[in-house]
Amino acid sequence: NAGVTQTPKFQVLKTGQSMTLQCAQDMNHEYMSWYRQDPGMGLRLIHYSVGAGITDQGEVPNGYNVSRSTTEDFPLRLLSAAPSQTSVYFCASSRASEQETQYFGPGTRLLVL
Amino acid sequence: KNQVEQSPQSLIILEGKNCTLQCNYTVSPFSNLRWYKQDTGRGPVSLTIMTFSENTKSNGRYTATLDADTKQSSLHITASQLSDSASYICVVRGSYIPTFGRGTSLIVHP
Repeated sequence: NAGVTQTPKFQVLKTGQSMTLQCAQDMNHEYMSWYRQDPGMGLRLIHYSVGAGITDQGEVPNGYNVSRSTTEDFPLRLLSAAPSQTSVYFCASSRASEQETQYFGPGTRLLVL
Repeated sequence: KNQVEQSPQSLIILEGKNCTLQCNYTVSPFSNLRWYKQDTGRGPVSLTIMTFSENTKSNGRYTATLDADTKQSSLHITASQLSDSASYICVVRGSYIPTFGRGTSLIVHP
């Protein structure tokens, strides 16, 4: 199994540009989540999904959209990038239980100029 | 408001020494508490999970404790190795949305 994969690894955007961060998992996990990690702060939940066709907002959803058309994929879209969205983004997946381990991807480092 | 506080913020120790990291939380209701290890430039990896009824759990040289009454957890690392240099994150789960601590940055020097 490849686990959780994320692309791209690095990205530089200009303010106002849009882009999609890709996340895929091959473990048939029901739950998938997107987090951002900023210096000196803990991981913060952006959006999550409990299954295909179902998404919900996390702690910091503004400026981001998600969709879950398949179990495997959970892309994160930045509609109009802002410098405040400069961060490291992590995707995670797990089975449908709070006791289950979350598996994190390697992260995408985003710089918005 | 649910919060997870970790201390110290950073720690430097010599290879072979032991250390203990602390986690205090105010998350309610409580489902479980996890310790993650995050190497530089990588995603977090789960070390151990503690549920309400568990006091101590070990994973190799890592031993986690939980006091649900005082809402405190600790992660003890025995005989540290250079590869233990990383950020250690405490995560508490009540509902589906977990609450993350800011992490303790551990540096192990030879």
